[in-house]
Amino acid sequence: EVQLVESGGGLVKPGGSLSLSCAASGFTFSSAWMTWVRQAPGKGLEWLGHIKRKTDGGTTDYAAPVKGRFTISRDDSKNTLYLQMTNLKTEDTAVYYCATGSGGDRWGQGTLVTVSS
Amino acid sequence: QAGLTQPPSVSKGLRQTATLTCTGDSNNVGNQGAAWLQQHQGHPPKLLSYSNNNRPSGISERFSASRSGNTASLTITGLQPEDEADYYCSAWDSSLSARVFGGGTKLTVL
Repeated sequence: EVQLVESGGGLVKPGGSLSLSCAASGFTFSSAWMTWVRQAPGKGLEWLGHIKRKTDGGTTDYAAPVKGRFTISRDDSKNTLYLQMTNLKTEDTAVYYCATGSGGDRWGQGTLVTVSS
Repeated sequence: QAGLTQPPSVSKGLRQTATLTCTGDSNNVGNQGAAWLQQHQGHPPKLLSYSNNNRPSGISERFSASRSGNTASLTITGLQPEDEADYYCSAWDSSLSARVFGGGTKLTVL
């Protein structure tokens, strides 16, 4: 069974940094493209970016609002996906989901990030 | 960042058929097709369809997707109470090199 478990969310002040993790199991992690998506309270889904599998170059693509502030990485030896977030703004407050594939085949339960002073 | 356009809400009766639409342009829906996701309140999204009308295993045949030009559609037949949820479309946008989502449609089953 595919399982994705996000962790690392919490309260952070504007301008601060936070790192999220997504522990994967139940599938061959190294063969999967992986994606981060967020959802602000009461709002819709927002794609943040993805990282390709190493055989496809292991490269990343990002949404314009987070490019340069957010970094997606992966450790295939640990079956873990990461999202490093810097210079956080209040509008980054959201539930952050990791998902398999570029389109979101399977999703984790999400972790809440609150950016507030 | 440009997104896809979905009607905010659709209401239909029990056992009726609902068709949800998602309009983009030639860089996204018209070129790459669309995926559809369902999200119940308080839960993560679930993929219903990808590349226009491919259903992951376990997804009911009552859900079918199609595309005409730059507009994708999700048709849900025989509406059930559990179909009441938010539905999102998404597509890869080749001009942005990014995936874009629609704003979501809240489906109410009367």
